[in-house]
Amino acid sequence: QAQLVQSGAEVKKPGASVKVSCKASGYTFTNYYMHWVRQAPGQGLEWMGIINPSGGSTTYAQNFQGRVTMTRDTSTSTVYMELSSLRSEDTAVYYCAKVGVVAPQALDIWGQGTMVTVSS
Amino acid sequence: DIQMTQSPSSLSASVGDRVTITCRASQSISSYLNWYQQKPGKAPKLLIYAASSLQNGVPSRFSGRGSGTDFTLTISSLQPEDFASYHCQQSYSTPFTFGPGTKVDIK
Repeated sequence: QAQLVQSGAEVKKPGASVKVSCKASGYTFTNYYMHWVRQAPGQGLEWMGIINPSGGSTTYAQNFQGRVTMTRDTSTSTVYMELSSLRSEDTAVYYCAKVGVVAPQALDIWGQGTMVTVSS
Repeated sequence: DIQMTQSPSSLSASVGDRVTITCRASQSISSYLNWYQQKPGKAPKLLIYAASSLQNGVPSRFSGRGSGTDFTLTISSLQPEDFASYHCQQSYSTPFTFGPGTKVDIK
């Protein structure tokens, strides 16, 4: 069955960058858009952006414009999310999630999450 | 950007209770509304898509209604495994914003 497996937890210093990976399996990788969503401790879900694994086109939330880059590697069925100029407010769990088969942009399969801690 | 609000922010209920959570969009989103359940330390799980369609494998005690700006998620008879947080999300236009969440805990 479809599965998304993310890379492990990261600890970064303010100003650094982090790159989180999300490896897909069990479905045709290029057929379904992938979203990135984050959740700060004790807070709600925040949508970051979307990538089309087929052509690589992206749309980012304005809050992250200029700091986030989403890419994909079709040879390994993996998407990446890189966030730069990290600050303490970026401490959060980062999730990748694929869109569903039936519903447009509803997220039916999620990765397990990657904790990113930004601390000096 | 479309703003999403939810009410209540939290509620306490007993097993067997009927529970309704409301989600409101700042502008019309037609039926582009999804509901997710999230348990502590876990990723969200899709419950309802397109406002009222039940995701495969989700128990029928969950139901969704609404269109335009006002939506509800109802759990007809709360079960022990339903104590969790619930999030709505609009998928009408980017950014695909989420509501702040509703935490359902045990009375």
